Amino acid sequence: AQSVTQLGSHVSVSEGALVLLRCNYSSSVPPYLFWYVQYPNQGLQLLLKYTSAATLVKGINGFEAEFKKSETSFHLTKPSAHMSDAAEYFCAVSGGSNYKLTFGKGTLLTVNP
Amino acid sequence: GAVVSQHPSRVICKSGTSVKIECRSLDFQATTMFWYRQFPKQSLMLMATSNEGSKATYEQGVEKDKFLINHASLTLSTLTVTSAHPEDSSFYICSAPLGGDLSDTQYFGPGTRLTVL
Repeated sequence: AQSVTQLGSHVSVSEGALVLLRCNYSSSVPPYLFWYVQYPNQGLQLLLKYTSAATLVKGINGFEAEFKKSETSFHLTKPSAHMSDAAEYFCAVSGGSNYKLTFGKGTLLTVNP
Repeated sequence: GAVVSQHPSRVICKSGTSVKIECRSLDFQATTMFWYRQFPKQSLMLMATSNEGSKATYEQGVEKDKFLINHASLTLSTLTVTSAHPEDSSFYICSAPLGGDLSDTQYFGPGTRLTVL
C-alpha cells in the first residue's frame, strides 16, 4: 500500500522568495516519486521524478527535490519564486508491479508580487 | 515530450444521457492508460486502468457498468459515462506511461470538464 501526505494545502510566498512544498510518503516497496504541476483547467505536467538514482533531483523551471529515505520525504524546493509558478502542485508515488500513481491532496502555491 | 490528447475538452449534457471521452497518445503507443477523476480543489483519484485488448481494471468503488472503458487500439482509450447524473460532474483526466518501466513518466491529457445538468 502506498500513500502521500502533502503538508499544507495552501502555501503563499513573495516573488523572489524560497519555495518549499512538503511531501511525505509511505510505501511497502522502494518508491518512485514524482512532482506534478497543474495550472487551472489543465492536465498535469511533470516537474521531476525520483527513480532510485541520485537523491537530489533537478527538474524543470528551476525546481528540485531531495529524496530522504530516513524521513520518508520528497520535498520540492525552488530558490526564487516567480509569478508564473502559481499553480497546484501534486506529489505522487508509485511502485510495485504496475504504474499506478497515488497522489497527495495537492498544495496550491500563490506568489505575491 | 510525449503528447496525450483528450476530446472533448468540455461537455455539458442532460441528466440521463451518455457521454464519451477520448484519450489519445499522439506520438507513442500505450498498452496501458489510466483514467482519473478530479473534484474541485481535490486530488486525482484513479478510476480505472485501461488495457489494450483486454478488460479494464476498476478501482474499488468505481461502477464498471457506469464508466465503460474501451481500449480499442494502442493509441486510443475511451471512457463512456452512461446515464450521467449531476453527481458525475467532474474533471476527467487520462494518462499514459511512455514506456515499459515503472519509473517511466506518465503523460497526462489536458482533461475533460463534464457538467451534467
